[in-house]
Amino acid sequence: GQSLEQPSEVTAVEGAIVQINCTYQTSGFYGLSWYQQHDGGAPTFLSYNALDGLEETGRFSSFLSRSDSYGYLLLQELQMKDSASYFCAVRAPGGATNKLIFGTGTLLAVQP
Amino acid sequence: GAVVSQHPSRVICKSGTSVKIECRSLDFQATTMFWYRQFPKQSLMLMATSNEGSKATYEQGVEKDKFLINHASLTLSTLTVTSAHPEDSSFYICSARGWGLAGYNEQFFGPGTRLTVL
Repeated sequence: GQSLEQPSEVTAVEGAIVQINCTYQTSGFYGLSWYQQHDGGAPTFLSYNALDGLEETGRFSSFLSRSDSYGYLLLQELQMKDSASYFCAVRAPGGATNKLIFGTGTLLAVQP
Repeated sequence: GAVVSQHPSRVICKSGTSVKIECRSLDFQATTMFWYRQFPKQSLMLMATSNEGSKATYEQGVEKDKFLINHASLTLSTLTVTSAHPEDSSFYICSARGWGLAGYNEQFFGPGTRLTVL
């Protein structure tokens, strides 16, 4: 089977740093993506790791360890607008093309 | 660039009727489109993958005769929920990937369609 596990909820204060972990078990693996989704909205792409290591994009960084089937999203200098759900997603083989399998999602609440 | 639209954004229908949801890539050609379903406070569950001009590939447990997918052109895919029932009420989101985007590794998502079946 396929599973991607994340903490269900995380709470942090403005200006802080928060890390959202993702452990995965999938049939095939090409890379790990992270998406942000505000309530009732479309998921928006944040980052993609195909190789081990850290990718940095502004206040957001993402890490991948393929040997540990583990990754995390690091959010720095938290702002109120960062309150949203965050999903990791594995790009995996899917017949004629590859597909995204989403994690369970983490609801981040940023408090003043 | 890389905008995906869905129509309608919300639909309410009676049990037993069929509902069609359209997904369009507005500024690029999408060789592959995906349909997801998301229940409240849950993750996105992939329903099917469609490639332009060929039959959709459905995920295990998704009834292909109930959720009809057509990907007739490089910019349009449709999902028809046939004989909808209250348990089909959900948030349906499409996603598109194709050549010409800034980053091929990205999938761009539509704004979603909230279906309520009475």
